[in-house]
Amino acid sequence: DSGVTQTPKHLITATGQRVTLRCSPRSGDLSVYWYQQSLDQGLQFLIQYYNGEERAKGNILERFSAQQFPDLHSELNLSSLELGDSALYFCASSPGGDLTGELFFGEGSRLTVL
Amino acid sequence: QQPVQSPQAVILREGEDAVINCSSSKALYSVHWYRQKHGEAPVFLMILLKGGEQKGHDKISASFNEKKQQSSLYLTASQLSYSGTYFCGTELPGTASKLTFGTGTRLQVTL
Repeated sequence: DSGVTQTPKHLITATGQRVTLRCSPRSGDLSVYWYQQSLDQGLQFLIQYYNGEERAKGNILERFSAQQFPDLHSELNLSSLELGDSALYFCASSPGGDLTGELFFGEGSRLTVL
Repeated sequence: QQPVQSPQAVILREGEDAVINCSSSKALYSVHWYRQKHGEAPVFLMILLKGGEQKGHDKISASFNEKKQQSSLYLTASQLSYSGTYFCGTELPGTASKLTFGTGTRLQVTL
């Protein structure tokens, strides 16, 4: 158990819909990272938040947005969903804002868009 | 710029050695290695910073050749528990926390 909690674990929805994925980082970690993992694909970096502020941005679509709240939990919002958005979405956390240490990954939220 | 991993997949017998390579077309600041077992979250193995250092983690070690922008992960005397997909993640200088992962190397260790 990494200490990172993601909900929901599984989500099935239809094209055009909007969903919210939630992540609670490890106690004391200030950074939250979001990654997308499609079938047979690597981990695609989406976005990082550090202590409430956006720190780094990757290949995140305009239909996607994220935020980190004062209690440090984070939410990833996916809207106007398409079939290709079906994937496993991982959240990871770390104590600091840079990559000098390990990332602790949650178990992921599996999104299926029908 | 996604790093390229090779091989894509490898099957080993228990006790055999393996090497997984990770190459980048750009100069690297650091290389990170993770292992992901089927249906589970990726788990951190080690980080290598530029300078050609080599690190070890039990019977798993890695090297980083910054001149070649390449890192190699060495698995010695493989165990069944080593099975999984290995990902390298690369960080470029000045990219502020962007860790770009390769597509992974699937390793299966058999009896």
